[in-house]
Amino acid sequence: AQSVTQLDSHVSVSEGTPVLLRCNYSSSYSPSLFWYVQHPNKGLQLLLKYTSAATLVKGINGFEAEFKKSETSFHLTKPSAHMSDAAEYFCVVSNTGTASKLTFGTGTRLQVTL
Amino acid sequence: DGGITQSPKYLFRKEGQNVTLSCEQNLNHDAMYWYRQDPGQGLRLIYYSQIVNDFQKGDIAEGYSVSREKKESFPLTVTSAQKNPTAFYLCASSIPGSSYEQYFGPGTRLTVT
Repeated sequence: AQSVTQLDSHVSVSEGTPVLLRCNYSSSYSPSLFWYVQHPNKGLQLLLKYTSAATLVKGINGFEAEFKKSETSFHLTKPSAHMSDAAEYFCVVSNTGTASKLTFGTGTRLQVTL
Repeated sequence: DGGITQSPKYLFRKEGQNVTLSCEQNLNHDAMYWYRQDPGQGLRLIYYSQIVNDFQKGDIAEGYSVSREKKESFPLTVTSAQKNPTAFYLCASSIPGSSYEQYFGPGTRLTVT
């Protein structure tokens, strides 16, 4: 079985300061990992994904995440927050095999203040 | 533009009525999925389909039904047997395989009173 734990349900940062959203995963196999973003009442948009290539993954809008197998972590970072980054962020792990079944974390709400 | 459409955006029903949520994609993806989202929770998988005329139950299939008669379409019916149907419903599609990301529609917010 696989699972994802997002360590913070809510993170608040000032505009222009770094963002860190933490995610730990559990998987019996080498997982594929994703970060998605959801703005209010919208669908989810893929930020970035890790699929056993480079451990440092760069995504859209200046976000990146580092896969650390020894720590079973996949934290999302951004050097400088923008007001438009305020949203809900989901860390997601995919099982192996042909069926792309995703397991979602419970989400981290990012608030960006002036 | 390629993408996934869900209609309607907001849906209101009386308790005891079945309701069908629409999901259409023009991404030529074989796999499609239905998720339910409740406040403070991640998405939970209701049903998924990897190919036309075939679908499997997800983690919370009770009270829901689906069909997959066309590659582009994967409608979800919320039946009167679903005890707590009020939620945000998201449809997604992908190329089958664990390394492929899923593309999501804008969602339908269903309110049952």
